[in-house]
Amino acid sequence: QVQLQQSGAELVKPGSSVKISCKASGYTFTSYDMHWIKQQPGNGLEWIGWIYPGNGNTKYNQKFNGKATLTADKSSSTAYMQLSSLTSEDSAVYFCARVRLGNFDYWGQGVMVTVSS
Amino acid sequence: QFVLTQPNSVSTNLGSTVKLSCKRSTGNIGSNYVNWYQQHEGRSPTTMIYRDDKRPDGVPDRFSGSIDRSSNSALLTINNVQTEDEADYFCQSYSSGIIFGGGTKRTV
Repeated sequence: QVQLQQSGAELVKPGSSVKISCKASGYTFTSYDMHWIKQQPGNGLEWIGWIYPGNGNTKYNQKFNGKATLTADKSSSTAYMQLSSLTSEDSAVYFCARVRLGNFDYWGQGVMVTVSS
Repeated sequence: QFVLTQPNSVSTNLGSTVKLSCKRSTGNIGSNYVNWYQQHEGRSPTTMIYRDDKRPDGVPDRFSGSIDRSSNSALLTINNVQTEDEADYFCQSYSSGIIFGGGTKRTV
């Protein structure tokens, strides 16, 4: 069965960076786009960008250019998102999600990132 | 880039029918598929409707999706509302990127 297992919660200091992971299993990792989505407490969903693990192509929401960097390791079927120059506005839950038939058919459990000194 | 606008909240009674709307600001609602997601508190979203009106396996047939061209909106209809339907509902479409509506909190 398809599973997206994300890394654990992070408490990080302002100005630092964090890298979170999303390990895929149960399907061919290189055949599907992997997207990342942000959700601030009590708020809606915000699309960050996607990566196609097959060739490493990426596309970002302009708002996250320079903030988020998406990578993928085919050998471990793991997608990564690095967030840099963190501020309190980056405190949120971050989801990875696979796209199939034009919708996010599987989601990770989410990673809570808290930016605090 | 268009905006998808959803009502902040809607309250319904058990057993009733509710229609959740998702209005596209510019351009034709039928130009790009709309998906609907349900999110319970503290959980990841799950797909209830994809490509306007398709229901994934395992989603009860009480849930249906449609397009209302007169209001340039997508609609998620829930018949015979149950307590487990109390959740947040997000619509989603795409343009040059992925666009989410702000979400509707549905309370029973």
